[in-house]
Amino acid sequence: QKEVEQDPGPLSVPEGAIVSLNCTYSNSAFQYFMWYRQYSRKGPELLMYTYSSGNKEDGRFTAQVDKSSKYISLFIRDSQPSDSATYLCAMSQSATGANSKLTFGKGITLSVRP
Amino acid sequence: DSGVTQTPKHLITATGQRVTLRCSPRSGDLSVYWYQQSLDQGLQFLIQYYNGEERAKGNILERFSAQQFPDLHSELNLSSLELGDSALYFCASSAPVQPSPFYGYTFGSGTRLTVV
Repeated sequence: QKEVEQDPGPLSVPEGAIVSLNCTYSNSAFQYFMWYRQYSRKGPELLMYTYSSGNKEDGRFTAQVDKSSKYISLFIRDSQPSDSATYLCAMSQSATGANSKLTFGKGITLSVRP
Repeated sequence: DSGVTQTPKHLITATGQRVTLRCSPRSGDLSVYWYQQSLDQGLQFLIQYYNGEERAKGNILERFSAQQFPDLHSELNLSSLELGDSALYFCASSAPVQPSPFYGYTFGSGTRLTVV
């Protein structure tokens, strides 16, 4: 079993839809949870990060972490064609030190149709 | 521009050769992480350096090595290259001098390595 599992997709939605992206993980030591967006042939760009359990909102994006279920989600409201990209979840045990490396899900490619 | 600079952007080389990938972290960041991204494996952690010292190692092959220099830039050396080493190689940086809030990891735009 991989440490981080992410639905492989791809996912195609109409413009304006609410998008829900999810990851599960097995390592209970993970404390920092991140969502990255990656456009084709570009480096991953940090969208949201959350420390421990809880919700965080930033504009049209909401990140949720449920440590009891080892489940994280990213919601995108009023999706736009410019949101079309690959979304990767990532997590680490600490912010610094030897356990700060990120473990990624494989990513899901989202396409928002005009 | 993320502030993390990777060179070269593209590299095409033959099997058996050796290449060096370079990364300059964000100003003030002390940690550098190297990742390999392939279609089947996704983003895989290779190695981490912090202020010149190796801090953590992932699934890095023995043919691969890295170092971080006093000016904090890092180099990833790949030798005896095989077709399967073709991938995107990313560098990320984090951990500014404390105290500072955690702000995540910033990735460079990557080096696309093609081994032919």
